[in-house]
Amino acid sequence: DTAVSQTPKYLVTQMGNDKSIKCEQNLGHDTMYWYKQDSKKFLKIMFSYNNKELIINETVPNRFSPKSPDKAHLNLHINSLELGDSAVYFCASSQEFIGGANVLTFGAGSRLTVL
Amino acid sequence: SQQGEEDPQALSIQEGENATMNCSYKTSINNLQWYRQNSGRGLVHLILIRSNEREKHSGRLRVTLDTSKKSSSLLITASRAADTASYFCATATGNQFYFGTGTSLTVIP
Repeated sequence: DTAVSQTPKYLVTQMGNDKSIKCEQNLGHDTMYWYKQDSKKFLKIMFSYNNKELIINETVPNRFSPKSPDKAHLNLHINSLELGDSAVYFCASSQEFIGGANVLTFGAGSRLTVL
Repeated sequence: SQQGEEDPQALSIQEGENATMNCSYKTSINNLQWYRQNSGRGLVHLILIRSNEREKHSGRLRVTLDTSKKSSSLLITASRAADTASYFCATATGNQFYFGTGTSLTVIP
């Protein structure tokens, strides 16, 4: 199936731990993203990678580090987890078309709970 | 912040009625898109309207765009219980996307 897949779907961990969320897309898209959705469903861009280069880095703490081994993968590593990091993290991808418009394809989300 | 705002935050209607959601944004855009999110799922793209378009239709969806007012509306006609979801507008400039705060729609059977 063509899709954006992210793992794990659920992650429960203690404060201070380090965790990673993986994302893979087989759509051949050039750009991948990480979004954070809080409990009020507010969706905020965290990172964007285009052909393995970081092109957006919003005001995200440096405890969060995106890693892209190739253009089909964009993993999110979080160090020293804090209570406020609890949220649903969405991976997405898009394709840039000359003269066209990009549309986002989202993964199903990874719900992170920090205790 | 480049986030947009949506209005209303929550909307509850009877099946068969029309639902209208509004979105306001702050920056110049190439296009504006609407996405739907079912509970516990990722967002799914619904419809895109370019900055030089004023209205667009897709099935039961009708989107308008007023770039002078930096606003857009999404109309869902003849709503169904299965339309119950959260709806988000997203402004796009190149491959940068910024989402609104979302409207939670409940369609009562």
